[in-house]
Amino acid sequence: GAGVSQSPSNKVTEKGKDVELRCDPISGHTALYWYRQSLGQGLEFLIYFQGNSAPDKSGLPSDRFSAERTGGSVSTLTIQRTQQEDSAVYLCASSANGGPGTQYFGPGTRLLVL
Amino acid sequence: GESVGLHLPTLSVQEGDNSIINCAYSNSASDYFIWYKQESGKGPQFIIDIRSNMDKRQGQRVTVLLNKTVKHLSLQIAATQPGDSAVYFCAGPGLVGSGNTGKLIFGQGTTLQVKP
Repeated sequence: GAGVSQSPSNKVTEKGKDVELRCDPISGHTALYWYRQSLGQGLEFLIYFQGNSAPDKSGLPSDRFSAERTGGSVSTLTIQRTQQEDSAVYLCASSANGGPGTQYFGPGTRLLVL
Repeated sequence: GESVGLHLPTLSVQEGDNSIINCAYSNSASDYFIWYKQESGKGPQFIIDIRSNMDKRQGQRVTVLLNKTVKHLSLQIAATQPGDSAVYFCAGPGLVGSGNTGKLIFGQGTTLQVKP
């Protein structure tokens, strides 16, 4: 596609439920990143993929958070047993090769946990 | 740990004036920086980047200045327009020592308000 796409654009869920957020990176980009943005804040790094491997998971806030990437393309971020503090915008970015280089962001998924 | 931060949370300018948004960083090993623009309800949009071997880079109506001595960079927008109203973030790489994966550390953002 022309850019990074994410789905759903908005998600409202109840506390304790699991959610899956999807990211489609720019075609051919090997590096994929997930970030979280709380209201009025900067972006917080969550996880980095190079191909299907995740060499840097240092930003995942707890073991309720996990992510996978298949076929070197689509990635899914899963949050289990959601909590109200998980409410945020989850942003996905991709870059051509990882390392230094421009990251292109998707529009984000706005998650609200009630 | 390393940090990237902006000096002012909000900047209000008159349409047609020049805007200057500032950013400071702590990691002297950072080898590049990126400025992003984020409009309401959208993801960050790349504006311009600069490598540490440069002290100035110009784009269309934007200029980024890098002062490595004081670990400071700025984004200058010429002839600010209403469409420039957004939140602006500077970002730099995470710790190089652990391998530069390209993950970015973002500042808190400066909201630019353009008055007609």
